[in-house]
Amino acid sequence: GAVVSQHPSRVICKSGTSVKIECRSLDFQATTMFWYRQFPKQSLMLMATSNEGSKATYEQGVEKDKFLINHASLTLSTLTVTSAHPEDSSFYICSAKIGQGATGYTFGSGTRLTVV
Amino acid sequence: AQSVTQLGSHVSVSEGALVLLRCNYSSSVPPYLFWYVQYPNQGLQLLLKYTTGATLVKGINGFEAEFKKSETSFHLTKPSAHMSDAAEYFCAVSLDSGGGADGLTFGKGTHLIIQP
Repeated sequence: GAVVSQHPSRVICKSGTSVKIECRSLDFQATTMFWYRQFPKQSLMLMATSNEGSKATYEQGVEKDKFLINHASLTLSTLTVTSAHPEDSSFYICSAKIGQGATGYTFGSGTRLTVV
Repeated sequence: AQSVTQLGSHVSVSEGALVLLRCNYSSSVPPYLFWYVQYPNQGLQLLLKYTTGATLVKGINGFEAEFKKSETSFHLTKPSAHMSDAAEYFCAVSLDSGGGADGLTFGKGTHLIIQP
């Protein structure tokens, strides 16, 4: 089945530095990928929709200059958390849409970001 | 805009007992509905989904859900709980009918506890 690989699974960084998270579709082409953020014991909140070859669409309240999304190919989308601060510590999950319509969404295994 | 309500942030059942996790949605158009399971520090795994057709949907691991339009519900059930079912469960809705690329809107999640 369709697999999305997300790396790294865990990352600890110093405050003020930037962190890049990669999301790859391994056996299919993903024209659309989604980035979610999940706080402890809470639900997933959609941050942005990433479309191959175009600018990402950000949800209201998400700083596009802080969370840079690049979807340069049909198999790779990246999320870069710039100038990270402790409040950015969270679990980030990517998802790719499979096919047309709501035929399914497959999720990466998530990245636990801790900013110290 | 669509929304999802999961009644009960925590549900506790005995091993072998019936599992019932409740999900209600609001949507101005027929939705596509999903149930996902999440184990600690992992991504989401699709249990089942409703798009069109039969309203009783069978998924993996013995779970099933029934779409009831009149009640705007999509409750998840399993006849006999197993210890391995202990996890976080998310109900989600998408309005994507194929032309767009909507992300999923998630409920807040229900933590399922299995008592031995």
